[in-house]
Amino acid sequence: DAGVIQSPRHEVTEMGQEVTLRCKPISGHNSLFWYRQTMMRGLELLIYFNNNVPIDDSGMPEDRFSAKMPNASFSTLKIQPSEPRDSAVYFCASSLDRGREQFFGPGTRLTVL
Amino acid sequence: AQRVTQPEKLLSVFKGAPVELKCNYSYSGSPELFWYVQYSRQRLQLLLRHISRESIKGFTADLNKGETSFHLKKPFAQEEDSAMYYCALIYSGAGSYQLTFGKGTKLSVIP
Repeated sequence: DAGVIQSPRHEVTEMGQEVTLRCKPISGHNSLFWYRQTMMRGLELLIYFNNNVPIDDSGMPEDRFSAKMPNASFSTLKIQPSEPRDSAVYFCASSLDRGREQFFGPGTRLTVL
Repeated sequence: AQRVTQPEKLLSVFKGAPVELKCNYSYSGSPELFWYVQYSRQRLQLLLRHISRESIKGFTADLNKGETSFHLKKPFAQEEDSAMYYCALIYSGAGSYQLTFGKGTKLSVIP
């Protein structure tokens, strides 16, 4: 298994544009997590899914952020419209069960100009 | 609310010196504690978890419920230990789930 796959690895966009980040969890894992990493705040949990259902989105900063998991092998995190303060590294992680070890993807480095 | 505190953003030690990365948590239940590590240009990965009580790469961490701490220790630091370390708390029980990461400590081992 290639592990958790994220795309793109780097994204540079202009303020106001829509950004879509993608994640493919490890096959068989039923929990998926989206995180944001910044120097100031460290690693923040944005949202997590269990069996494709969003369980807790209290970490999503604003309505500009949305996440979906249409099936067990794919999830997206969308920012619309993007702002410079959204610049960060966004990680996706999956686990066999929400209480188990999480396996992280390589992250997407987002820069909003 | 649950909280994980890593008081040091940056910790520098000389090679061969002992290392202790501090982690304190606040949670009224019985959480599970983890240490994750992120080496340069690599993915965040699990280093160890308190229930396994094992030593990984020479690192150990003991859960001290009285002091609500889960400090990561290694007797002799190596250059390859230089990385970002995150302490994490998970509580997963009937009808409840809490997941919190600390803000991380960057360990720099000086040759």
